Amino acid sequence: DTAVSQTPKYLVTQMGNDKSIKCEQNLGHDTMYWYKQDSKKFLKIMFSYNNKELIINETVPNRFSPKSPDKAHLNLHINSLELGDSAVYFCASSHRQGNYGYTFGSGTRLTVV
Amino acid sequence: GDSVTQMEGPVTLSEEAFLTINCTYTATGYPSLFWYVQYPGEGLQLLLKATKADDKGSNKGFEATYRKETTSFHLEKGSVQVSDSAVYFCALRSGGSYIPTFGRGTSLIVHP
Repeated sequence: DTAVSQTPKYLVTQMGNDKSIKCEQNLGHDTMYWYKQDSKKFLKIMFSYNNKELIINETVPNRFSPKSPDKAHLNLHINSLELGDSAVYFCASSHRQGNYGYTFGSGTRLTVV
Repeated sequence: GDSVTQMEGPVTLSEEAFLTINCTYTATGYPSLFWYVQYPGEGLQLLLKATKADDKGSNKGFEATYRKETTSFHLEKGSVQVSDSAVYFCALRSGGSYIPTFGRGTSLIVHP
């Protein structure tokens, strides 16, 4: 009965590889997000997406792309991984309208070697 | 644009001490304000929120009051426990955007 689930929890891969992180929410939220958290705990929004609109943080390299097969899923695909991509990636979801908070997944720790 | 400023950490306290983590913000209009907590190895969890001026959010002994006049939302707890050791994030969501703005986080370390 996990609200926002991400897989895998840990991902170790070599530079240049392509990888995906999956995210699913069962809360009925209409909007999902991807965040990157660096080693100093700073959170950076990467994408927000609902069935009408994709908003991309313009500082995110185009090697990163969100893919949403349906409203409950927002996967993150990364091409040509670089050392600087090593971080913890969090998926989150919310209702777009209203003063609700956000529900986060438990994170995926990506290590590029 | 919107911004959130938190005090830098780490904040180190002994068990049962009083906690204050400062948070100030700039935003257009009347934002909703949030505190999130991140325990080691986990994602962020919503701790409390306030949606209008003078509202007080509270949860698990933590409190924060929405102060419009000082644009602040300081987090307080009267007696911290070792289990409160975590990173705390202040955040806002303004009327013009559904994407939240987070502060940089404040690490709290509580010693027995």
